[in-house]
Amino acid sequence: AQRVTQPEKLLSVFKGAPVELKCNYSYSGSPELFWYVQYSRQRLQLLLRHISRESIKGFTADLNKGETSFHLKKPFAQEEDSAMYYCAPFHTGGFKTIFGAGTRLFVKA
Amino acid sequence: DTAVSQTPKYLVTQMGNDKSIKCEQNLGHDTMYWYKQDSKKFLKIMFSYNNKELIINETVPNRFSPKSPDKAHLNLHINSLELGDSAVYFCASSQLAGVSTDTQYFGPGTRLTVL
Repeated sequence: AQRVTQPEKLLSVFKGAPVELKCNYSYSGSPELFWYVQYSRQRLQLLLRHISRESIKGFTADLNKGETSFHLKKPFAQEEDSAMYYCAPFHTGGFKTIFGAGTRLFVKA
Repeated sequence: DTAVSQTPKYLVTQMGNDKSIKCEQNLGHDTMYWYKQDSKKFLKIMFSYNNKELIINETVPNRFSPKSPDKAHLNLHINSLELGDSAVYFCASSQLAGVSTDTQYFGPGTRLTVL
């Protein structure tokens, strides 16, 4: 079965510390992977996607096919990074995006 | 403002009632979606329409009926509301259906509370 796992429900770090939000997927084939973010009182929005190989707001994510992971990383967390983060592989078989359960990141001053 | 909009933002109702949530996008997208976010923030797809045609229909009670009068609108009607229907419902749209690289744009959400 196609599945995405975000093992941490809550991640709390200090400002300036590195942060890594974990995402593991169980998929046949090569899915396209996305990270979406939901800041407080704002709508869910795209943060970055694997195919673009981009860095948004200092975040990067590397696809590791061997480990079937797509962890989101930032070397120095900022307070404004506090939000809910969703890993979202695109399920090509079902033509839909599957969202993980989400990880709430809390960056402390 | 180009965006995905939903009405109402909050909906409080009694068990057994019938209610509708409306969604509109002016992004010119062909595909629209409904997601349910439960109390644990888990986001699950419910339906997807492409150019007014239903393309994804997850295991959702048939009390939920989506309707797409045109490709810019996707409404969600819920009959005989139950306590477990309480959640935040998000509408989203994307340019294309079934394209793996396509970004989804989300509405602000409708918080439904069933008493």
